[in-house]
Amino acid sequence: DQQVKQNSPSLSVQEGRISILNCDYTNSMFDYFLWYKKYPAEGPTFLISISSIKDKNEDGRFTVFLNKSAKHLSLHIVPSQPGDSAVYFCAAHQRRGTYKYIFGTGTRLKVLA
Amino acid sequence: NAGVMQNPRHLVRRRGQEARLRCSPMKGHSHVYWYRQLPEEGLKFMVYLQKENIIDESGMPKERFSAEFPKEGPSILRIQQVVRGDSAAYFCASSPRQAQDTEAFFGQGTRLTVV
Repeated sequence: DQQVKQNSPSLSVQEGRISILNCDYTNSMFDYFLWYKKYPAEGPTFLISISSIKDKNEDGRFTVFLNKSAKHLSLHIVPSQPGDSAVYFCAAHQRRGTYKYIFGTGTRLKVLA
Repeated sequence: NAGVMQNPRHLVRRRGQEARLRCSPMKGHSHVYWYRQLPEEGLKFMVYLQKENIIDESGMPKERFSAEFPKEGPSILRIQQVVRGDSAAYFCASSPRQAQDTEAFFGQGTRLTVV
């Protein structure tokens, strides 16, 4: 039972353009969502998070949007840079219920120079 | 400020041997989480520990796997009698308090290969 889904295993974007990575979840009890970036042979690096009381959170070139009714969140990277090429994982958990992060399977982003 | 330190980075074991993976959390962090990533999959929660206590091991296989976080020293994930299916990347994460309120920071992982 995959509670967090990233349906696009890969995405290619031209440098300077917008990258949009999508994530869907099924558990309506999730109330905190995170994005991690992972380079090969390294651990995941925290990127940005959003609480369910918000619908948008922005940090520099990275913006996360949350649509609770659709159980959908997305990560926007503008402008995309070659150094953004990595695997991006969406994670979710219930703040009051559990500390376990439920991860999606990841989307491999390739930014073309 | 050193991050989460895991060692070894790579570990090769023959079937039937024991694997010991170590994790030193970030300074000031007393909460440790272990996750496993199988090829082409996301990270799966295994166990959550605080100093000298296992809080939640619901993601651990019932046999051969154990974890500890002693009062002194790193957290250890131990896999006894390894099998080929144990080959994976094992990541440790830490947080200063329960991850409800803050993000967990991950180490670089230990890549276990069972031959």
